[in-house]
Amino acid sequence: NAGVTQTPKFQVLKTGQSMTLQCAQDMNHEYMSWYRQDPGMGLRLIHYSVGAGITDQGEVPNGYNVSRSTTEDFPLRLLSAAPSQTSVYFCASSSGSYNSPLHFGNGTRLTVT
Amino acid sequence: AQSVSQHNHHVILSEAASLELGCNYSYGGTVNLFWYVQYPGQHLQLLLKYFSGDPLVKGIKGFEAEFIKSKFSFNLRKPSVQWSDTAEYFCAVTRSGNTGKLIFGQGTTLQVKP
Repeated sequence: NAGVTQTPKFQVLKTGQSMTLQCAQDMNHEYMSWYRQDPGMGLRLIHYSVGAGITDQGEVPNGYNVSRSTTEDFPLRLLSAAPSQTSVYFCASSSGSYNSPLHFGNGTRLTVT
Repeated sequence: AQSVSQHNHHVILSEAASLELGCNYSYGGTVNLFWYVQYPGQHLQLLLKYFSGDPLVKGIKGFEAEFIKSKFSFNLRKPSVQWSDTAEYFCAVTRSGNTGKLIFGQGTTLQVKP
C-alpha cells in the first residue's frame, strides 16, 4: 500500500526559482492538504482541497498555488521561491468521513538559498 | 479562528517516569481532537483521536488522552515512558465533520533518558 507519496524528498532552490512539489494518494481520499513544518511552530496549513476541482486557503497560503484536477493528485507550486519558504512540507489526505484521520506523506525538505 | 496551544515545548524525562503533555484549543463548537507523534526523521503518525463518546481515549503504545470540554483541553498521558518514546508530539483540532483541515499546536519535543 503506497498511501500518500511525496516527491521529491529533498530540493534546493535559488531565490526566484519555481518548482512543484508532487503529492499523490491511492486511497481515493476526497480531502487533501499541504502543511509546512517549521521549528517551534508546529505544522501550519497552506492549502487544502475537499475534492477534485475544489481548493481553499489555509493559514499560510501566500507564495503557494495549488490545483486539484484529479482525486489522486494535489501538487503544490512555488512560483518564485523565497528563503522564508525553506521548510519541510507534508502532504496529507483523509476520506473526510466521520472518524477518519489524516494520513501523511514522508515529507519534502526544501531549502531556498 | 481555531487555534491550538501546547504548553510544554521541550520535556525531558527519565525512563519509567509518567508523562502528561498539555493541549488547549480555542473553538466553541463541536471538535475532533488528535494527537500525532513524529519520530526523528519520520512523518507524522496518529497516536489517538477523539470524535465523540467516552472522553478518555486510548491510543497506541500505551498513550491515552482525556477530553475535558469545560477546559477546552485534550491532555496526553502515559504512565511510564520508554526511551523509544523520544519524539515530537503534536496536538491537533478540527471542526467536527471536517477532518481534512487540521489545525496543529506548536509541538512538544519529548526526550527520554535511558
